[in-house]
Amino acid sequence: DAGVIQSPRHEVTEMGQEVTLRCKPISGHDYLFWYRQTMMRGLELLIYFNNNVPIDDSGMPEDRFSAKMPNASFSTLKIQPSEPRDSAVYFCASRRTPQETQYFGPGTRLLVL
Amino acid sequence: GESVGLHLPTLSVQEGDNSIINCAYSNSASDYFIWYKQESGKGPQFIIDIRSNMDKRQGQRVTVLLNKTVKHLSLQIAATQPGDSAVYFCAENRGGFQKLVFGTGTRLLVSP
Repeated sequence: DAGVIQSPRHEVTEMGQEVTLRCKPISGHDYLFWYRQTMMRGLELLIYFNNNVPIDDSGMPEDRFSAKMPNASFSTLKIQPSEPRDSAVYFCASRRTPQETQYFGPGTRLLVL
Repeated sequence: GESVGLHLPTLSVQEGDNSIINCAYSNSASDYFIWYKQESGKGPQFIIDIRSNMDKRQGQRVTVLLNKTVKHLSLQIAATQPGDSAVYFCAENRGGFQKLVFGTGTRLLVSP
């Protein structure tokens, strides 16, 4: 299995621009998670999906952030408009069930200038 | 003003030593635990897991110990190598919940 796939791996953009991060979970995994990692706050859960349905989005910082999962093999995390404080590494992770291991993707390193 | 980041506890060991990384968890209802390793510039990588009906589990050079009485988890790495240098996170799955709760991490530095 290829593991969790994320794109792009690096993104540099200017403040105010729209940013879209993409994730392909491991096939057969029913849970998909979006995390953000910064030096200041560590690893934070933003939102997670079960069977393509958003279950908990309480970690989404504000309305500028949105996430979708149109099918079992694809999810997006969008920031519009982006701000410098959104600069971080964004990870996608997936797992089959809550009683099984959660696997992380390689992350997208976002820099907003 | 001066920015302050997370202060990660750091464990420094010599190559060949055994390392023990500790983690305290808070919820007695947690029933599944995972250790992750994160190298610089990479995503967290699964190392080993353990369920609450066990108190010890061994992998290749790693052992996880679970003490439910004091809500403590530890990761033991035998014959530590420079390639083991990374940040190690424990994560717990609280019973009835679908998401993992992560610890803040411990930095392991291995000197040749």
